[in-house]
Order: sequence, then structure tokens, then C-alpha cells
Amino acid sequence: QVQLVQSGAEVKKPGASVKVSCKASGYTFTSYYMHWVRQAPGQGLEWMGIIHPSGGSTNYAQKFQGRVTMTRDMSTSTVYMELSSLRSEDTAVYYCARNPGGMDVWGQGTTVTVS
Amino acid sequence: QAVVTQEPSLTVSPGGTVTLTCGSSTGAVTSGHYPYWFQQKPGQAPRTLIYDTKNKHSWTPARFSGSLLGAKAALTLSGAQPEDEAEYYCLLSYSDGRPVFGGGTKLTVL
Repeated sequence: QVQLVQSGAEVKKPGASVKVSCKASGYTFTSYYMHWVRQAPGQGLEWMGIIHPSGGSTNYAQKFQGRVTMTRDMSTSTVYMELSSLRSEDTAVYYCARNPGGMDVWGQGTTVTVS
Repeated sequence: QAVVTQEPSLTVSPGGTVTLTCGSSTGAVTSGHYPYWFQQKPGQAPRTLIYDTKNKHSWTPARFSGSLLGAKAALTLSGAQPEDEAEYYCLLSYSDGRPVFGGGTKLTVL
């Protein structure tokens, strides 16, 4: 069955970096690109960026330019989202979601706490 | 970056009909914005109800429908059920390839 399984919760200090993984299974990894979306406590959804596993091309929201890096590992069908220079405002749940197909499959979310 | 606007909150009676809207600061919303609608309940990941204006997933209840209404994207719920109480988000795509979420609408079924 198609699923996206994300890495576990992280606690980081301000100024550090975090790398969240999203492992895909049940479909052809290179046929779908992957969005990253985050949600701070009690807040709305925020689009962070997108990566196409096939060529590795990326497009990041302006807000995160220079701080976010999205990569992929074709051998394990995994995409990664690394966010650097963490601050308290980066405390959030981070989700991956595949597209096209209407963002039909989402990861379970990874809680990142910056404290 | 564009700003996407939604009603902060709406209330609908059980069995009633309600329309949520999604506007863009750049002008009229068109099919070229490929509007998405997501439902999120507390403690859960979002799930997509509508994509590309009006397309439904297999899990999307028939009582939900997507459209363009005037200059906005719209999500209409006809025959509201208690389980429809949730936060709803729209997402619009732009020519720079960077989609933007709306602030969300908290829908109460009361």
C-alpha cells in the first residue's frame, strides 16, 4: 500500500539544524514530487517547498530560502528536509505529501521542538 | 508572495449548506491556480478533499464539492454532518511554482 513514513520527533537547540526524512513505499518513487508543509502549534498550514525525486530539482518558499535544503536518496526512496539556524518559531509539525494526484498521501508528521 | 484569504470561522446547522471561499491578493482565482481544499481535525494530518478546483478523491464525501464562485475558489458542503466539524484550508498555485495556503476556516456544525 502507498505510504509515506516520516522520522521521529526531534528536540533541537536554537541555532542548530534538523533533518527530517520521509520514506516512500508502494509506488514508483520518481513519478511523484514531494511537498513539505509545516504547522506551528495552533497555527495554519505553511508550504515550505517541493522536490522532484527524479532529477532532484527543488523550489523553496521565499521565507525559507537559504535555510532549507531538500534532498533525496533514490536507493532508499527517501526524501529529506533539512532546516538550519533553527529558532523557536520553527517549532512545528512537519509533513511530507506527494503530488501529482491531488496530494493524496501524506506522511504522519514529525514534531520538531526548538528549545 | 501572494496572500490567500479564507473566512476565519463559519457555522452551519446539521443538514444545512455552507460555502467556504478562498481568495487571492493577486486578483481573481481561476482554474489556473489549481485550487485545493484540505480538511484537518485536531491531532490529525490534513487530508485532501478537493484538488484542481473540483476533483474529488475516493474518500471525499459526496456532500463536498469544489467550484469557482465569482473571483474565488469555493468549497460547498451540502447536508452538513457533525463529523464535518473541522478546520478547512485552501491552497492556490502560482506561476512561480510556490503554492500558498490560506489561513484556514474553522467550521462548526451546530
